[in-house]
Amino acid sequence: GDSVTQMEGPVTLSEEAFLTINCTYTATGYPSLFWYVQYPGEGLQLLLKATKADDKGSNKGFEATYRKETTSFHLEKGSVQVSDSAVYFCALSDRNTGNQFYFGTGTSLTVIP
Amino acid sequence: DAGVIQSPRHEVTEMGQEVTLRCKPISGHNSLFWYRQTMMRGLELLIYFNNNVPIDDSGMPEDRFSAKMPNASFSTLKIQPSEPRDSAVYFCASFPGVTEAFFGQGTRLTVV
Repeated sequence: GDSVTQMEGPVTLSEEAFLTINCTYTATGYPSLFWYVQYPGEGLQLLLKATKADDKGSNKGFEATYRKETTSFHLEKGSVQVSDSAVYFCALSDRNTGNQFYFGTGTSLTVIP
Repeated sequence: DAGVIQSPRHEVTEMGQEVTLRCKPISGHNSLFWYRQTMMRGLELLIYFNNNVPIDDSGMPEDRFSAKMPNASFSTLKIQPSEPRDSAVYFCASFPGVTEAFFGQGTRLTVV
């Protein structure tokens, strides 16, 4: 069945460091891929998305490229800020499985000044 | 649109009591999900509705949990009787079938 595997946390970085959070997926069809972010005490918000192979999603300095050959959607940011401290979830939706949404376990990021 | 609306935002109840969580999805969205989030288990899918019909309830932990979606604009998640281990944040999300899922702010449930 469909699934998402993402890098275990927690991750602690200094401000302005480079961030990578790995995400790989398994899907029967051609899924759409997403990164969601959850700030403390809040619900999940969409950060970025990509709907087909080789698409790059980007938002707020974060980027992720849909790599079908490696079944990956790694999240990157060149220079993190304290305000990026949050939990990040990789997710996919697949019409072949009735539009079910599958989430990874989440990766907690703390950015220190 | 006001987004996905959940109520209450916080609920504190005694063990053994019935708890009902409510969700109003975004108008026009045909899929609705209930999730539970805890530190130990992360984000768990409890049940998934499509066009008001439960499609997958394999994540519902036990018979004490039940969910309904009587119409396209309302869903409930009920726990009866509640136990301390049910303490968690419960999220509702709605999905239009394309693009992304939209989450509510969650209900923080504490069972004492």
